[in-house]
Amino acid sequence: DTGVSQDPRHKITKRGQNVTFRCDPISEHNRLYWYRQTLGQGPEFLTYFQNEAQLEKSRLLSDRFSAERPKGSFSTLEIQRTEQGDSAMYLCASSKTSLGETQYFGPGTRLLVL
Amino acid sequence: AQKITQTQPGMFVQEKEAVTLDCTYDTSDPSYGLFWYKQPSSGEMIFLIYQGSYDQQNATEGRYSLNFQKARKSANLVISASQLGDSAMYFCAMRGLLTGGGNKLTFGTGTQLKVEL
Repeated sequence: DTGVSQDPRHKITKRGQNVTFRCDPISEHNRLYWYRQTLGQGPEFLTYFQNEAQLEKSRLLSDRFSAERPKGSFSTLEIQRTEQGDSAMYLCASSKTSLGETQYFGPGTRLLVL
Repeated sequence: AQKITQTQPGMFVQEKEAVTLDCTYDTSDPSYGLFWYKQPSSGEMIFLIYQGSYDQQNATEGRYSLNFQKARKSANLVISASQLGDSAMYFCAMRGLLTGGGNKLTFGTGTQLKVEL
């Protein structure tokens, strides 16, 4: 039983560049979530998918951020024109559909924008 | 809106002792779930324990137990027989179970636990 995987684990980029992160959920999970965690804080919700449908987006998700889950399996999170404030850990989680189902997290992608 | 408060930025405990990590919450949802996660320095969030607001019994998972006091809106995590490997950041989180936006987790700011010899 493989867990949630994320790629890359670390990313260093220059301000203004675009970056894309990938998340592969647990295979039987049809819900997928993205969170962002800055230093000294708990994770903050960004968006979630049920299958391929993006059902909720946080106001934290500015128009420079876009997430997709084209076939209801893996998901990508793209940040365009990165800013230093985007430096954070980006966490992906997945769960089954039932209410109260636990979200299982991947190892995260640490982004540093120089 | 939901809010989680963890008032202990850091805690120390000696190996083999028990430790309690505090968590209080606020929500308008009549039905909700409370979670604890562990985050080692590697960054991955590891699920530890879950308590539903209507569960009659306090949740237990091995050395972890959740001291749920609904009237006080508290959901403290108790770790028994602490081990060196328990040193990590611990997050309390919650989500509503009935509202339309009830899928996202709301996290506290965490408690850094250090287990000492």
